[in-house]
Amino acid sequence: AQSVTQLDSHVSVSEGTPVLLRCNYSSSYSPSLFWYVQHPNKGLQLLLKYTSAATLVKGINGFEAEFKKSETSFHLTKPSAHMSDAAEYFCVVSDTIASGGSYIPTFGRGTSLIVHP
Amino acid sequence: SQTIHQWPATLVQPVGSPLSLECTVEGTSNPNLYWYRQAAGRGLQLLFYSVGIGQISSEVPQNLSASRPQDRQFILSSKKLLLSDSGFYLCAWSSGRTAGTEAFFGQGTRLTVV
Repeated sequence: AQSVTQLDSHVSVSEGTPVLLRCNYSSSYSPSLFWYVQHPNKGLQLLLKYTSAATLVKGINGFEAEFKKSETSFHLTKPSAHMSDAAEYFCVVSDTIASGGSYIPTFGRGTSLIVHP
Repeated sequence: SQTIHQWPATLVQPVGSPLSLECTVEGTSNPNLYWYRQAAGRGLQLLFYSVGIGQISSEVPQNLSASRPQDRQFILSSKKLLLSDSGFYLCAWSSGRTAGTEAFFGQGTRLTVV
């Protein structure tokens, strides 16, 4: 069984300071992990994904995440926050194989990133 | 390229009325299709997924149902809406056949039951 825990429901930073959004996962297999971003009343956009290649994954808009198997973590970081980064962020794990051999994604509860000027 | 369409964008319905939300995907065949609901502060809850025409798996017991009448069409329905059905509904698709394939989302439907 797979699950994902986003440790913070809200993270507040000042513009220009680093961002850290934390995610821990539970998976029986070698998981695929994703981060998505959602702006208000919009769909979700993929930021980055990990699929057992390099453990440090770079995504769009300056975000990156590091897969740490020993810590079962996949935290999202950005060196310098921008006002436009204010949004909801979701960590996702996908290793469950449903009927027919399909992988079903499981979402965390989300972290709301607030950026102060 | 693949695109996903979901409509309507917003919907206000009275309690006890029926519901039909539609989602279609273009540019791919035999996708996995998903319906999620997002309630305030609760993340995304998977409601239904489908790996093929007529194949629907329900993740949670509820007042809703889903159907897949065509390969790239996924419909979310209810016969009688409840106040608790209010929320933001998202349709998504993925190829889903190999590890690491991401899901692609529609723009969502904001449903308010009054």
